[in-house]
Amino acid sequence: ETGVTQTPRHLVMGMTNKKSLKCEQHLGHNAMYWYKQSAKKPLELMFVYSLEERVENNSVPSRFSPECPNSSHLFLHLHTLQPEDSALYLCASSQDLATGNTEAFFGQGTRLTVV
Amino acid sequence: SQQGEEDPQALSIQEGENATMNCSYKTSINNLQWYRQNSGRGLVHLILIRSNEREKHSGRLRVTLDTSKKSSSLLITASRAADTASYFCATFEGYGGATNKLIFGTGTLLAVQP
Repeated sequence: ETGVTQTPRHLVMGMTNKKSLKCEQHLGHNAMYWYKQSAKKPLELMFVYSLEERVENNSVPSRFSPECPNSSHLFLHLHTLQPEDSALYLCASSQDLATGNTEAFFGQGTRLTVV
Repeated sequence: SQQGEEDPQALSIQEGENATMNCSYKTSINNLQWYRQNSGRGLVHLILIRSNEREKHSGRLRVTLDTSKKSSSLLITASRAADTASYFCATFEGYGGATNKLIFGTGTLLAVQP
């Protein structure tokens, strides 16, 4: 148990569906991240939030929409996805971004399959 | 953008042997971290080495950092079957401010045969 919880663990959705991934951290951290992990590719940083403000958007398609209502919760809203969006989506948190001298804590991930 | 690249991509050893994985990166860093990932699960932090450090130990793990060569190595001594996992290096870019981010390498898949 890392203190970062992601739900659901598995999700199958059609290309016309709308769904949301949820991440919650109980560590009192100020920074939260979404990563995408596809087979045989490095982890791709998607979004970074610091103190509930989005500070990084790595050219992610608009069909992915993040939301950070408070420092403990992070969502990733999904709509009209493509089959190539199938991947493991990982949420992480860290104490802060200012110094970076802290580790990142990861959730167990959501395995997303788009059919 | 991808920062680190691990070498080798895959490594298979016998229990009791040592495993060495290497990581190269491209830009200046604040620190370098190593993570482990069991199949299909989240990543777990192993060790962090700062840019002004050259070597660090944690249990059976030994990490070195050579900033002149922009490379790091992770040594796992006396490996166990339970060490079977993917290992990633990650570099923290930036020195303060909103643009800091943790970038991961491609990973080394370690298989320890019992």
